Amino acid sequence: NAGVMQNPRHLVRRRGQEARLRCSPMKGHSHVYWYRQLPEEGLKFMVYLQKENIIDESGMPKERFSAEFPKEGPSILRIQQVVRGDSAAYFCASSPPTATNEKLFFGSGTQLSVL
Amino acid sequence: EDKVVQSPLSLVVHEGDTVTLNCSYEVTNFRSLLWYKQEKKAPTFLFMLTSSGIEKKSGRLSSILDKKELFSILNITATQTGDSAIYLCAVDAGGTSYGKLTFGQGTILTVHP
Repeated sequence: NAGVMQNPRHLVRRRGQEARLRCSPMKGHSHVYWYRQLPEEGLKFMVYLQKENIIDESGMPKERFSAEFPKEGPSILRIQQVVRGDSAAYFCASSPPTATNEKLFFGSGTQLSVL
Repeated sequence: EDKVVQSPLSLVVHEGDTVTLNCSYEVTNFRSLLWYKQEKKAPTFLFMLTSSGIEKKSGRLSSILDKKELFSILNITATQTGDSAIYLCAVDAGGTSYGKLTFGQGTILTVHP
């Protein structure tokens, strides 16, 4: 049973480009969470999605950031017109559909570097 | 605003030492506290604590929660170099969003041979 899969592991973008980060949850999991880890800071919640629905996006910056979790395929975190301050590790986590606990399973993250 | 504070921020010990990592929190609606270990990859789950005073144990690691004083500790006995990692404490503050965790900044543990 594969764990949470994220790709790419490393992504380099120039300022103004778009970044697309992908996350495939564990088999049988339908809840996906995105977290961001800035250098020397803890993980910060960004968004919580279920299939085709955004449940809580209270941690998402208001502009340039969007997330989706379509019926088929991985969840995508999209950052438009990236800036240097977007450089961070982006982690995805998943949990099963009957989530009544908070035990999340994390992917290995995507390290985004903005030049 | 919900807050989780870990101490110390970093710790250097020798193999065989015992370490205690601290986590204090201030949240509006506590539901559970979790500990994760983060090496150069995915944070991996260690413990989830919901009740005060009940110790959770896994091998050389143990953790306990004090809901009255709003803190938790993670103990590691007979440390090994493989215990070197960042240890993250997180709190779920309830609401409708399970999995919306507030993390502390982490404790960097380095174990020398």
